Amino acid sequence: DVKVTQSSRYLVKRTGEKVFLECVQDMDHENMFWYRQDPGLGLRLIYFSYDVKMKEKGDIPEGYSVSREKKERFSLILESASTNQTSMYLCASSKGQLREAFFGQGTRLTVV
Amino acid sequence: TQLLEQSPQFLSIQEGENLTVYCNSSSVFSSLQWYRQEPGEGPVLLVTVVTGGEVKKLKRLTFQFGDARKDSSLHITAAQPGDTGLYLCAGLVDSNYQLIWGAGTKLIIKP
Repeated sequence: DVKVTQSSRYLVKRTGEKVFLECVQDMDHENMFWYRQDPGLGLRLIYFSYDVKMKEKGDIPEGYSVSREKKERFSLILESASTNQTSMYLCASSKGQLREAFFGQGTRLTVV
Repeated sequence: TQLLEQSPQFLSIQEGENLTVYCNSSSVFSSLQWYRQEPGEGPVLLVTVVTGGEVKKLKRLTFQFGDARKDSSLHITAAQPGDTGLYLCAGLVDSNYQLIWGAGTKLIIKP
C-alpha cells in the first residue's frame, strides 16, 4: 500500500519557535509538495520540489523554507513560528505527466 | 491568475437525494482531478478526466469534463452518509505542470 507519511498529526508550538514538519513517501515519486489548508481558501502551495536538493517557491513561501536531501523525504521549516501560521499542513507526492497527488494525513499546527 | 471556482461551497441534503457539484474556470486544463477529503485526513484522489467531453463513473459518482476542458462536474446519485466530505477539484496546467485547486465543496449527507 503506497504511503505518504507526515511526522505529526497535531503540533502546538510557541510564537518564535523554529518548527520542523517532516514528510516521507515510499512511492519513488520525483515530485513533492507542501500545502497549507485553511477554511474557505482551499489548498495553497507553499513550496515544491521536482528532484533531490531542488526546490521552487509556490504561492505563499514567505516565512517558510524547505529541504530535500533525499528523494523520499521533504521537510518544511517554519523559521520563526507566528500565530498566522496556525493551519493544516499537507504534504503530497506525485509522478508522471498527470501529476496525480498522493497526500499525507496532514499536520494540524497551532501556534500560540 | 488562473482560478478554479467550485460551487456550491456548502451542500447539506438528505440521504437518497441526487446532487451536482461544479468546477469552472476561464482557463483550459490538460486534465482535471477530483479528490475527497474526510475531516482530519488528507485528500484522496477519486478520478482524473483527460479528454474534453469525457465521462467517468465510479459507482454512484459520475464525473464529466467539459468539451472545452474549462469546466467539470461531479454528480452523485442517491447520496449516502458515507459520501460526506470535502470535494476538491484540481486542474493541471499544460505550461508548467502545476495543479490549480478549487476551494472545495463541503458536502453533508444526513441519514
